[in-house]
Amino acid sequence: QVQLVESGGGVVQPGGSLRLSCAASGFTFSSYGMHWVRQAPGKGLEWVAFIRYDGTYKYYADSVRGRFTISRDNSKNTLYLQMNSLRAEDTAVYYCAKDFFPIVVLPSTWFDPWGQGTLVTVSS
Amino acid sequence: QSALTQPASVSGSPGQSITISCTGTSSDVESYNLVSWYQQHPGKAPKLMIYEGSKRPSGVSNRFSGSKSGNTASLTISGLQAEDEADYYCCSYADNVVFGGGTKLTVL
Repeated sequence: QVQLVESGGGVVQPGGSLRLSCAASGFTFSSYGMHWVRQAPGKGLEWVAFIRYDGTYKYYADSVRGRFTISRDNSKNTLYLQMNSLRAEDTAVYYCAKDFFPIVVLPSTWFDPWGQGTLVTVSS
Repeated sequence: QSALTQPASVSGSPGQSITISCTGTSSDVESYNLVSWYQQHPGKAPKLMIYEGSKRPSGVSNRFSGSKSGNTASLTISGLQAEDEADYYCCSYADNVVFGGGTKLTVL
């Protein structure tokens, strides 16, 4: 079945960097756009970034543009999120999520399924 | 502040119907047929319940339905069950992807 498994979370100091990974299985990874969505402790969902199925287009939330980079390796069925210049407000559970439909050119709003999430804590 | 406005909480008794609203603007909910709804139980990942405003993915109960009127989308849950108690989020597109602030559903 379709499975997404995030890894790479942890505790990092403000200004530091972290790279998250999302290992995909059970579907043709190279045919689907992928997203990162985060959720601060006790708060709601916040969309972070989208990468097109072929990696040619990337979209970011204003809150992370210029600091975060989404990428993918279709040969390894893996999605990444490189996070630089981290701030306390970036503390959250980060989920990767698959686009519901294949070969989507622009960011959609339907994500299915989601991974279990990985916690990133930015603190000194 | 979320671009989409949802009530913080709603409640209902088993067997009843409830509706959760999601109010946007002419630039998002009203302009695009891209509204989706997610259910999230405590400590779990969100689950897609409705896409394209009113369509249900395979496996989602037909007790869940979505609709839209102008700049307001709605999620209706009929025949409330205890397992429906969760947080619900709407999602739409406005220059970028935006979520509502979430609604906590309590089944009394």
